[in-house]
Amino acid sequence: AQKVTQAQTEISVVEKEDVTLDCVYETRDTTYYLFWYKQPPSGELVFLIRRNSFDEQNEISGRYSWNFQKSTSSFNFTITASQVVDSAVYFCALIDPYNAGNMLTFGGGTRLMVKP
Amino acid sequence: DAGVTQSPTHLIKTRGQQVTLRCSPKSGHDTVSWYQQALGQGPQFIFQYYEEEERQRGNFPDRFSGHQFPNYSSELNVNALLLGDSALYLCASSFAGGPESYNEQFFGPGTRLTVL
Repeated sequence: AQKVTQAQTEISVVEKEDVTLDCVYETRDTTYYLFWYKQPPSGELVFLIRRNSFDEQNEISGRYSWNFQKSTSSFNFTITASQVVDSAVYFCALIDPYNAGNMLTFGGGTRLMVKP
Repeated sequence: DAGVTQSPTHLIKTRGQQVTLRCSPKSGHDTVSWYQQALGQGPQFIFQYYEEEERQRGNFPDRFSGHQFPNYSSELNVNALLLGDSALYLCASSFAGGPESYNEQFFGPGTRLTVL
């Protein structure tokens, strides 16, 4: 069965610090899709990135970067020079098409608090 | 371009009652998924609707049922409410067609259900 683990339940940093959120996934399939979502206090999940299992290139978008390593089944998310507005709960998620169709399997989330 | 909308925003019910939640997908989307998010946890997949039929279902009892209308909007019904049904119910829409059908799912702001 597919599973996503976010071992860090809560992280607190001071503004301008770099922070990495860990995500480890489990799937028996070779084709799958990984996602990161941000959930601010308003509750709405905001899509950040999608990565398919055949594309191991790391990606950078502004202050955000993602490190996908199939060898360790990890898809970690780094925020560089964190800002107070980055405070939110971040979820890593997996779509495993052949075993679970189009449903998103979420990790438990990591609450990030950025202090001024 | 309106995103995913959900109604109502908040709802308070008592045990044993029935509730209906509503969702309108993002323009151009034809697939609607429902997720339940208990406090402090990641969202859990309830079911997904496509072409007015339930295409996939998570591990939820039959008390949870749904419907999709010809305009792609959807309802989630929960019968015989239990205290444990208290949660944030999130609706997500996506487009099923195209070569990369496992695209990002866009989430609505959610409906906060409290069962007393």
